[in-house]
Amino acid sequence: QKEVEQDPGPLSVPEGAIVSLNCTYSNSAFQYFMWYRQYSRKGPELLMYTYSSGNKEDGRFTAQVDKSSKYISLFIRDSQPSDSATYLCAMRWGAGANNLFFGTGTRLTVIP
Amino acid sequence: DVKVTQSSRYLVKRTGEKVFLECVQDMDHENMFWYRQDPGLGLRLIYFSYDVKMKEKGDIPEGYSVSREKKERFSLILESASTNQTSMYLCASSSPGTADNSPLHFGNGTRLTVT
Repeated sequence: QKEVEQDPGPLSVPEGAIVSLNCTYSNSAFQYFMWYRQYSRKGPELLMYTYSSGNKEDGRFTAQVDKSSKYISLFIRDSQPSDSATYLCAMRWGAGANNLFFGTGTRLTVIP
Repeated sequence: DVKVTQSSRYLVKRTGEKVFLECVQDMDHENMFWYRQDPGLGLRLIYFSYDVKMKEKGDIPEGYSVSREKKERFSLILESASTNQTSMYLCASSSPGTADNSPLHFGNGTRLTVT
């Protein structure tokens, strides 16, 4: 079983839709949860960071962590064509490089 | 802005060749990483380094080695390239820690094809 599971999509939505991206995980020790965004032919860049459970909002983006269900989500409100990218979840339990785990990424296309 | 620069965008090499992938970062970060990214497998850590001259194996180090002679530069070496090393290679750097002020900063990747 993979440490982190993420639906690869692809996901296509019309402009203005609410998008929900999700990951599940198996290791209850994870404490730090991240979402990276990767545009085509670019490297990933950090989009959202959450420590432990709860919600975090940044503009049109909301990251949600449910540790009891081992489930994290990224919501995008009023989606824009510029949001078209691959979204990778990532999580870790400490500072070490080899305890950072990425999902496989969900490819999102927002259609104008 | 942090910049992580990978020397080549695309590389085509033959089986058995020795391949060097170069990465330079300009933010004085202690930590540097090499990942490969494959469809359906996501990002997998090959090697990382916390300091000059230091290196640590990641999850898939077989067939690779690294060199970090200067803080800003981290090189990935494929000693004898094989077709199963055809992939996108991503270099990253970070400052120490786990907080959102120490994220990984990625380069734009090198797409390596081994024929």
